[in-house]
Amino acid sequence: DAEITQSPRHKITETGRQVTLACHQTWNHNNMFWYRQDLGHGLRLIHYSYGVQDTNKGEVSDGYSVSRSNTEDLPLTLESAASSQTSVYFCASSERNGYTDTQYFGPGTRLTVL
Amino acid sequence: KQEVTQIPAALSVPEGENLVLNCSFTDSAIYNLQWFRQDPGKGLTSLLLIQSSQREQTSGRLNASLDKSSGRSTLYIAASQPGDSATYLCAVRIIQGAQKLVFGQGTRLTINP
Repeated sequence: DAEITQSPRHKITETGRQVTLACHQTWNHNNMFWYRQDLGHGLRLIHYSYGVQDTNKGEVSDGYSVSRSNTEDLPLTLESAASSQTSVYFCASSERNGYTDTQYFGPGTRLTVL
Repeated sequence: KQEVTQIPAALSVPEGENLVLNCSFTDSAIYNLQWFRQDPGKGLTSLLLIQSSQREQTSGRLNASLDKSSGRSTLYIAASQPGDSATYLCAVRIIQGAQKLVFGQGTRLTINP
């Protein structure tokens, strides 16, 4: 069955370190998204991609970057981790056809920055 | 800026009751609205998607309605079961940002046996 996976599921890191969170989907979806979920803020969009070599900033993109070299993967990099980036991160994907654009979510990565 | 609000933040009801979850949004210029379910420590699962031209969608015991002009949506759950306990989130797709979703903060639902 097609799925979307994230790794690692849990990560503890130190302030200032570079961290990369992996997202892999086997739906063959063109669209991929990264969100963070925090108490009091809900889910907020970090970055998104509509296809290979395409990346776009969301509403909370500062301190994060993504790259899309193939259809299946959209890794999220925290260039210099900060305590404010402690959160649960979700990756999602959807079909290119915008009319039926249900987003399918991964299980999440819980990141703690000490 | 589009804002999505869900009230109440938490709801606890006995098993078997019919219940309604509410979602409101500030800008009626939406492409569609989705309801998701999130179990503790898990990702989101899409339950229903209503296009802006539709008034409601049904799936099993779930019925979602949309009143775009008033900026409101409801999720109706019939004959609630303990397995329905989860956090329910609504999200609107804003027209200007293709495929970008704006989420509410969710309603944490507990169904007591």
